Amino acid sequence: QKEVEQDPGPLSVPEGAIVSLNCTYSNSAFQYFMWYRQYSRKGPELLMYTYSSGNKEDGRFTAQVDKSSKYISLFIRDSQPSDSATYLCAMNQAGTALIFGKGTTLSVSS
Amino acid sequence: DAMVIQNPRYQVTQFGKPVTLSCSQTLNHNVMYWYQQKSSQAPKLLFHYYDKDFNNEADTPDNFQSRRPNTSFCFLDIRSPGLGDAAMYLCATSRGRDYNQPQHFGDGTRLSIL
Repeated sequence: QKEVEQDPGPLSVPEGAIVSLNCTYSNSAFQYFMWYRQYSRKGPELLMYTYSSGNKEDGRFTAQVDKSSKYISLFIRDSQPSDSATYLCAMNQAGTALIFGKGTTLSVSS
Repeated sequence: DAMVIQNPRYQVTQFGKPVTLSCSQTLNHNVMYWYQQKSSQAPKLLFHYYDKDFNNEADTPDNFQSRRPNTSFCFLDIRSPGLGDAAMYLCATSRGRDYNQPQHFGDGTRLSIL
């Protein structure tokens, strides 16, 4: 079993839809959870950063961590064409390297 | 704006011909990382520097080397590139030694091997 699993998609939604992106993981020691957005031919850009379980909201974006289920989510409300990108989850425990998911490609059509 | 800059954005080299990729940062971060990202794959950490302390990942091929002459610059040297080394190479920085500090990425260098 891979340490971090992420459905690659592609995921296509109409503008204004609520998008749910997810990752599962196997290492219960992971404590730090991140979501990165990567546009085509660009580097990953940090979107959300959470520690341990719970929710974090930033504008249209909400990150959720459920450590009991080893499951993290990123919700995008009122999705826009500019949200079209690949979304990478990443996580680790203190003192260890980040482990990335393969990314989910999202396309938002106007 | 403080940032991570990678040059060149696109690099073409011949099979077996050494190539150097560069990264500079204006964030004054202690840690600099090099990742390899192949199409539709997760970024794979090759190595990182904490200041001048070099840390190699166990499965990074010997063909890959790195230099960090000062805080701002870091180089990735590929001594004898093979076809399997064609990828996007990403440089990232973070403030502290703990890997849990957020990492800031450059836009990458896309390497092609002829």
